[in-house]
Amino acid sequence: DQQVKQNSPSLSVQEGRISILNCDYTNSMFDYFLWYKKYPAEGPTFLISISSIKDKNEDGRFTVFLNKSAKHLSLHIVPSQPGDSAVYFCAFKPDEEKLVFGKGTKLTVNP
Amino acid sequence: NAGVTQTPKFRVLKTGQSMTLLCAQDMNHEYMYWYRQDPGMGLRLIHYSVGEGTTAKGEVPDGYNVSRLKKQNFLLGLESAAPSQTSVYFCASSYPRGFGANVLTFGAGSRLTVL
Repeated sequence: DQQVKQNSPSLSVQEGRISILNCDYTNSMFDYFLWYKKYPAEGPTFLISISSIKDKNEDGRFTVFLNKSAKHLSLHIVPSQPGDSAVYFCAFKPDEEKLVFGKGTKLTVNP
Repeated sequence: NAGVTQTPKFRVLKTGQSMTLLCAQDMNHEYMYWYRQDPGMGLRLIHYSVGEGTTAKGEVPDGYNVSRLKKQNFLLGLESAAPSQTSVYFCASSYPRGFGANVLTFGAGSRLTVL
């Protein structure tokens, strides 16, 4: 049973516009939600996170929003740049030892 | 600073052959992980280790074995490779607790094809 779902396999946006990537989860007992970014032929890299006690965290062009009542997590990228084209994974820790990832959303930012 | 190094980067096996993927990290991380990435399936945890001499099963452990004899190394073994194990394998490591435990450092991946 998938505990975290990324329902959009892909997303295409124009350079300069906003990219919104979404993630839904089922279990409310998480301390942190995280976003990782992956370029082809490279390993994933940590992008941004949010504590379960917050509803927003911002880092430059990247903002993550957490809606606990809806069990929904989103990543906003503003403005989007061609270099942001990558696969984005949301992730959470079901316990202290493991990190569980969603299936990923492939973002393409067109010049 | 190398971070997490995986060897080999590419390998082609025949069904039934065995092989070992090696992961080495130089960050003195306590936790280490093996994930596989398949199209449409995201990253799935195979096995992990919370310290030297320890291992535990993840989501998809069947057909794999692991060993953590030294803190810096985490080996993933396939005793009898099957075509379903064709995948890209990622090793990762992290600190054991606190926020640093959330920030996994990944290797560049090992692409395995089983014919």
